[in-house]
Amino acid sequence: GDSVTQMEGPVTLSEEAFLTINCTYTATGYPSLFWYVQYPGEGLQLLLKATKADDKGSNKGFEATYRKETTSFHLEKGSVQVSDSAVYFCALNTDKLIFGTGTRLQVFP
Amino acid sequence: DVKVTQSSRYLVKRTGEKVFLECVQDMDHENMFWYRQDPGLGLRLIYFSYDVKMKEKGDIPEGYSVSREKKERFSLILESASTNQTSMYLCASSLAGRSGIGNEKLFFGSGTQLSVL
Repeated sequence: GDSVTQMEGPVTLSEEAFLTINCTYTATGYPSLFWYVQYPGEGLQLLLKATKADDKGSNKGFEATYRKETTSFHLEKGSVQVSDSAVYFCALNTDKLIFGTGTRLQVFP
Repeated sequence: DVKVTQSSRYLVKRTGEKVFLECVQDMDHENMFWYRQDPGLGLRLIYFSYDVKMKEKGDIPEGYSVSREKKERFSLILESASTNQTSMYLCASSLAGRSGIGNEKLFFGSGTQLSVL
């Protein structure tokens, strides 16, 4: 069945470091892909999305490109801030939304 | 902004109790969802509803039921709570109707941390 695989966390970085969180997927058909973020004590909120191959989603300095050839949707940010500390979930949808297990990011000053 | 409100942030119940988790959304969304979130397992879909009085099982419906009597309210019911139902429960809603279910952006509540002792 359809699934999403994320890199294990936690990812620990210093402020202004470069971030990559890997996400790969398995799906029949052509899913839309999403990154959701969960800040401490809050529910998830949509960070960015891409609906077809080679699309790039971007928001708040984060980017992810839908790569059909490698079935990947890696999340990147050039310079992280302490306020980016959160849990990040990769997700895909075909007829329902399927989430990865989440990757915790901790950014230290 | 869309607001999804879950009635309790923390809840402690005893094994065998009947537990109601309430969720209300204020943007006239058609779809509503209940997930549970567990460390290392991510989010797993329990039940969802795409219309009033309609419900469909998700991936892990066993031990749960739901009720959607009004469009804005979606209740999750644990008929007889067990310790393995200790978890964070997240409610979500989205705008799309049946044909678009899963395609639209989901709006989440802040969650209910349920502990069953």
